[in-house]
Amino acid sequence: SQQGEEDPQALSIQEGENATMNCSYKTSINNLQWYRQNSGRGLVHLILIRSNEREKHSGRLRVTLDTSKKSSSLLITASRAADTASYFCATARPGNAGNMLTFGGGTRLMVKP
Amino acid sequence: NAGVTQTPKFRVLKTGQSMTLLCAQDMNHEYMYWYRQDPGMGLRLIHYSVGEGTTAKGEVPDGYNVSRLKKQNFLLGLESAAPSQTSVYFCASTKTQGNQPQHFGDGTRLSIL
Repeated sequence: SQQGEEDPQALSIQEGENATMNCSYKTSINNLQWYRQNSGRGLVHLILIRSNEREKHSGRLRVTLDTSKKSSSLLITASRAADTASYFCATARPGNAGNMLTFGGGTRLMVKP
Repeated sequence: NAGVTQTPKFRVLKTGQSMTLLCAQDMNHEYMYWYRQDPGMGLRLIHYSVGEGTTAKGEVPDGYNVSRLKKQNFLLGLESAAPSQTSVYFCASTKTQGNQPQHFGDGTRLSIL
């Protein structure tokens, strides 16, 4: 079963606009990670936020985590056509001996030039 | 530095045939994983390994077997392929320390007729 659920499932914006994707999960976590997947390719790690962190930045990416609401958001600022991809959140549970991740269903982002 | 390499990239099988998917990583990672991704969905864990000679079941292990005879290689086998196993298969690896990202290959696209 999927731990995370992304919202929206699909998002279409114009280049230069900001894109916000949300992820909700069900159980306690050790960390939450965001990945990008370009069409026909594997997943690429974007950012990891630990359960005791509330916000992290990496370039044009900003991730927030609210453990009380069991939710996270990924903000991409000043989007570019090259940001067109699917974005997945993944959670790691506490006491996870194999560093396993549980993935959500993803948000498909299209950035129009 | 190739990262995670999967072979083959594409394969078409007939129902009942067998095959092995190979994953190789050159990052000296202890942990390796096999996932499947079906259209419009996130990744589901099939099997994983926390070290050479060890394997464990994930969320959807039925119909698959795995082996980790060498640290750098993780093999996924289908003994008797079924149409329900048509999917894209991804291999990933990571370090043993907690709060680590996973590194993914580009996938194997498998069709079972």
